[in-house]
Amino acid sequence: DTAVSQTPKYLVTQMGNDKSIKCEQNLGHDTMYWYKQDSKKFLKIMFSYNNKELIINETVPNRFSPKSPDKAHLNLHINSLELGDSAVYFCASSLRGANEQFFGPGTRLTVL
Amino acid sequence: QQQVKQSPQSLIVQKGGISIINCAYENTAFDYFPWYQQFPGKGPALLIAIRPDVSEKKEGRFTISFNKSAKQFSLHIMDSQPGDSATYFCAASTGTYKYIFGTGTRLKVLA
Repeated sequence: DTAVSQTPKYLVTQMGNDKSIKCEQNLGHDTMYWYKQDSKKFLKIMFSYNNKELIINETVPNRFSPKSPDKAHLNLHINSLELGDSAVYFCASSLRGANEQFFGPGTRLTVL
Repeated sequence: QQQVKQSPQSLIVQKGGISIINCAYENTAFDYFPWYQQFPGKGPALLIAIRPDVSEKKEGRFTISFNKSAKQFSLHIMDSQPGDSATYFCAASTGTYKYIFGTGTRLKVLA
C-alpha cells in the first residue's frame, strides 16, 4: 500500500561508478520530484516532472539525469559518482493544482 | 530571497510542554507554507500547512501562527509528547510547486 516507493533503500558504491534510483507512486499524481538531503539534513529540490515533462531543474551537475517513463515513475541516474554525492535522495509526488507533496522513504547513497 | 530561515536548530522540551519552532522568509511571492515532520530513516510527512490569507491554523495539538507583515510563521506543538520527537521542517512555495525548505529543527521531548 506504499504511496511513494523507492528502490533501493540503501546503495553503497565506489567513486566513478554509475547508479540508478527508482521511484514509483500509486497516488494518481501527475507531478514528481527528486530531493537531496545532505548530512546536515538540509533538503533541496533537484528536479521536478509534470506529465513526463521536466519543469524544475535546479543547479545540478550534468552527471545527474532524471527520466520519467510515465506519470507514475521517476528514476534518477547518476554517472561518475563522487564522494559529495553521498546523501539521502527522496522522491516525492503531488497533484498539479494541489500543493501537498508526498515523500517516499528515501534512498541512502554512500559513495566510497 | 529564496531562503527560509528556521530556528532553533534543536529543541528539548519536557513532556506536556509547548514546543515552538520559528521560520522567516523574504520572498513575498510565497503563497503556501507547510510544516513537515520527519522521523529517523523515514521521508518527511506533511503535518499542517497555511496560506498567507489566514493568521492561524490549528489541527489537534499543532498550530501554525502566520504573521504576513513580519514575514514569519511558527509551529506550536501543545502538550508535547515523546512520540513527537522528530525533525521538523518548515517550507515555503509559490505556484510552481517548488518547495524551499528551512534547515530543520530536531525536537526531543523528554518523558
